[in-house]
Amino acid sequence: QVQLQESGPGLVKPSETLSLTCTVSGGSISSYFWSWIRQPPGKGLEWIGYIFYSGTSNYNPSLRSRVIISVDTSKNQFSLKLTSVTAADTAVYYCARLMDDSSGSQFDSWGQGTLVTVSS
Amino acid sequence: QSVLTQPPSASGTPGQRVTISCSGSSSNIGSNTVNWYQQLPGTAPKLLIYSNNQRPSGVPDRFSGSKSGTSVSLAISGLQSEDEADYYCAAWDDSLNGPVFGGGTKLTVL
Repeated sequence: QVQLQESGPGLVKPSETLSLTCTVSGGSISSYFWSWIRQPPGKGLEWIGYIFYSGTSNYNPSLRSRVIISVDTSKNQFSLKLTSVTAADTAVYYCARLMDDSSGSQFDSWGQGTLVTVSS
Repeated sequence: QSVLTQPPSASGTPGQRVTISCSGSSSNIGSNTVNWYQQLPGTAPKLLIYSNNQRPSGVPDRFSGSKSGTSVSLAISGLQSEDEADYYCAAWDDSLNGPVFGGGTKLTVL
């Protein structure tokens, strides 16, 4: 069973860059799509973007101008950078595996999530 | 404002059957399969139903999904206190080329 673990600063200052890493264990990062999803306190889920192990990526249009997702297959990790953050970016950030096959596309494995607060 | 529409809350008593609805459009539910996620308090979401009505290993058969046109439903039979959670529907959106979520339904077991 693949496991995912987010890591990174829990506090980021306004206008700075939020950086998180997701480490995948129990399986290879190759041959799958990997995604970031966030959840503001007390609110619903928002897809941020996904990346294929080869590096192909796609982002939510609402965040596209500020987001970069990258992958490091040698470390079995993928990362999120969100620039020019504001208080509205305060959320629990989850990494997840996006399984895409004949049955459709679904997030079948999730990290435990990490709370990132944007505040000075 | 979520792309998929769910009722914000639902409730039932132990043993009862409850359903949660989710509606979308032709670019998401109408043309792609739907998944449901269960989020217990303070935890990460967990895949509950995929491909409209399939259960991952370990999910009780009390949970079932159905789809008709641009709407889907999650049914929970034999409601238990441990089912108290937030439930989210999700589907691929062809316009976005990415997944969209419903706003979530908070299920309370009375």
